[in-house]
Amino acid sequence: GEDVEQSLFLSVREGDSSVINCTYTDSSSTYLYWYKQEPGAGLQLLTYIFSNMDMKQDQRLTVLLNKKDKHLSLRIADTQTGDSAIYFCAESTPNQAGTALIFGKGTTLSVSS
Amino acid sequence: NAGVMQNPRHLVRRRGQEARLRCSPMKGHSHVYWYRQLPEEGLKFMVYLQKENIIDESGMPKERFSAEFPKEGPSILRIQQVVRGDSAAYFCASSKPGGETQYFGPGTRLLVL
Repeated sequence: GEDVEQSLFLSVREGDSSVINCTYTDSSSTYLYWYKQEPGAGLQLLTYIFSNMDMKQDQRLTVLLNKKDKHLSLRIADTQTGDSAIYFCAESTPNQAGTALIFGKGTTLSVSS
Repeated sequence: NAGVMQNPRHLVRRRGQEARLRCSPMKGHSHVYWYRQLPEEGLKFMVYLQKENIIDESGMPKERFSAEFPKEGPSILRIQQVVRGDSAAYFCASSKPGGETQYFGPGTRLLVL
């Protein structure tokens, strides 16, 4: 079945790098996404990667994809207190009708100064 | 360029009442998705709609829940005879036809007393 798993918590100091990990089970995933959710807010799309890529960099964000191990990671360089939020990994698996996203439970990132 | 809009942002209902949640997609987007987020959980797909069509409702509870996306106006998620277990955040997302990214609204937080 389809499942996306993430560690629940990560705590880092300001200025350090954060690495948030995610594993997924569906090998037919086409795109993998990282969303950020601040308290009481909606989901903000941070970045996404196509399944035939192994790396994507966007300013302070680096996404690594290991398709063989079905492992996705998000690295945030020079983490700031404003990065404190819940980070969701999601996959899209085209089914007969659409492209519903399947989400992990989210990793709460806490950044201390 | 307005993003996805949802209203109301907060909704309180007593058991047995009806809840109506509205979603206006981003300009140029004709695909709408509804997701539900229970406390401490990730988002779960409910339904995928295009104008005047339900494409995939595999995540919708079989009873009391319905969704529509009329030719004119917002998409509506309707919950009849609400129960306490319906308390959750309901998020709408939209995408372009064939688009690989979904953009989320701020959500409607439903509380059933």
